[in-house]
Amino acid sequence: DVKVTQSSRYLVKRTGEKVFLECVQDMDHENMFWYRQDPGLGLRLIYFSYDVKMKEKGDIPEGYSVSREKKERFSLILESASTNQTSMYLCASSPGPTGREQYFGPGTRLTVT
Amino acid sequence: KQEVTQIPAALSVPEGENLVLNCSFTDSAIYNLQWFRQDPGKGLTSLLLIQSSQREQTSGRLNASLDKSSGRSTLYIAASQPGDSATYLCAVSYGGGADGLTFGKGTHLIIQP
Repeated sequence: DVKVTQSSRYLVKRTGEKVFLECVQDMDHENMFWYRQDPGLGLRLIYFSYDVKMKEKGDIPEGYSVSREKKERFSLILESASTNQTSMYLCASSPGPTGREQYFGPGTRLTVT
Repeated sequence: KQEVTQIPAALSVPEGENLVLNCSFTDSAIYNLQWFRQDPGKGLTSLLLIQSSQREQTSGRLNASLDKSSGRSTLYIAASQPGDSATYLCAVSYGGGADGLTFGKGTHLIIQP
């Protein structure tokens, strides 16, 4: 079975802190994704990556950056956390290059106070 | 901008009933469509993936259909059980698979014992 793991289930940070959310997949997938999920807004794509050191902006990249130094790991970085970044963050992966199923991790609920 | 709409937003039915969840998308040039299940506070579990060239997919009591020309998909759940209670999400891919998914806001399903 595909396994996507995220470093924390719950995280509380203060405004202005630099925050790292880590995601690891164990199926040698080329593609990895970061989404956030908010009530009333649904899931929205932040960034994705189709190869090591490659990254593409999604629909809402402002305030975020990403890093993919190894194929299995995709990190989401909040450079200076703000309260409007309080959300559920979900990581996903899929095999590439042709369209296949996306597999999701358990999510990280981030609260910024 | 592509939009995905799910109707109804919420549904409550007695155990044992067959039911249909609906998904519509504004741009019919999709690459594939995926149905997910999400339990409260958890990540997404992939249920079915339909490629744009396919008309339906089946897994156990679940059947998903796709009418690309009309921009619609349905998820049929047969003989519903209380364990089916969850939020069901529909998502489409417009890229070659390396692009992210565009999600509907989901249907919150409650199966009454």
